[in-house]
Formats: sequence, C-alpha cells, structure tokens
Amino acid sequence: GESVGLHLPTLSVQEGDNSIINCAYSNSASDYFIWYKQESGKGPQFIIDIRSNMDKRQGQRVTVLLNKTVKHLSLQIAATQPGDSAVYFCAEGGGATNKLIFGTGTLLAVQP
Amino acid sequence: GAVVSQHPSWVICKSGTSVKIECRSLDFQATTMFWYRQFPKQSLMLMATSNEGSKATYEQGVEKDKFLINHASLTLSTLTVTSAHPEDSSFYICSARWEPNEQFFGPGTRLTVL
Repeated sequence: GESVGLHLPTLSVQEGDNSIINCAYSNSASDYFIWYKQESGKGPQFIIDIRSNMDKRQGQRVTVLLNKTVKHLSLQIAATQPGDSAVYFCAEGGGATNKLIFGTGTLLAVQP
Repeated sequence: GAVVSQHPSWVICKSGTSVKIECRSLDFQATTMFWYRQFPKQSLMLMATSNEGSKATYEQGVEKDKFLINHASLTLSTLTVTSAHPEDSSFYICSARWEPNEQFFGPGTRLTVL
C-alpha cells in the first residue's frame, strides 16, 4: 500500500547546530510534499512545501530536498533553536482528491 | 494568513453520549474540509473529506454512522461522534483547503470519553 515513513523517530541536537529530518515516501504519483511542525497539543503548522518538479526549495532557516529517484524527502533546519523543538511530519499529496498522507513523525529535541 | 478554528478545544464526556466538534474557516471560504484523528505519539490519520453541500467521503475503516459530518456552509464543518466510547478518546483535527494543494489546520480538539 501507499505509505510515508521516517527513518528517525527521535532526533536530539544541540542549540545552534543544523538539524536534518528525513522522510521516505512510496507513492511515485505524489506531486506535492509538505513539512509540518506540530507542538504538543496543537494542530500542524505549515513549514515549507515542494513540488515534484523541483529538487530543492529554501525558506527562512529551512530547506527541503526532494530526491525522486530514491523517493526521499528531507528537511534541514539551520541554527536550530529551542523553539524548534516539536514533532515534524512530512506529508505527500496530489491527484484529484488532494488528500494528504502523513508520515509517522520525528520528535526534534533541541538541547540548550 | 488563513485561520481555522475549532470548538471546543477540549471536551470530556460520558460513555454513550454524543459530542459535536465544530471547524470554522475564519477568513476564507472552504468548499472542502478534512477531519483527522491523532492518537498519542502517532501521526495524523485522515478520517473523512467534508464537501460543502454534499455527503462526506470517509476513509476505509471509518464508520460513517458513528462519525457524522455536516458541511452546511462554506465556513463550517461539524463532526459528531455518536455514542462515544473510551476508545474514541483522541485528538481530532480539522483542516480547510485553501488552494488545491494547501490545507490550513485547526488547533485540534481533545476528546476524552469516560
């Protein structure tokens, strides 16, 4: 079946370091990928997205990389801050239904 | 930016009762809204797609008679958990579709069934 999974369920980094969160997807028909941040007890917050016709997109302190050959997505956070501590989800979408399929999530813990 | 609200933010009810959760898009109209359920330390699982003026589309394994969805206007969708049981306790999150590939999420509703 279709699924989106993550390699690292928990990632602990030092404040100021760069963080890399990875995600694998299996549906080659997906044409839209999004990273969300979810803090405890809150809804997902959009971070950055990328379309399948791109392999890199940059935002403020964040970069998303897409490797369609190996169906891999990553989120890079530069100069990680304590406020970045949260669970990060990748999601894939596309097609007529515009439904999103969420990955399992990675807990990012930033140590001061 | 687009804002989606949910009400209530948390609710505690007795087993066997029904609970209604509202999802509103505050500054835009949404013909499509989505309802998700999230158990502790797990991912969001899509329950159903709510379409304004028509019946909701439920994902496989989600009981439509238990989770009633009504999307009566372009800014409001409701999810009613009927005859709730402790196993229905979860974090329910809605989203509203802004553009074909963009969804804005509500803050979630924590349901606890005693």
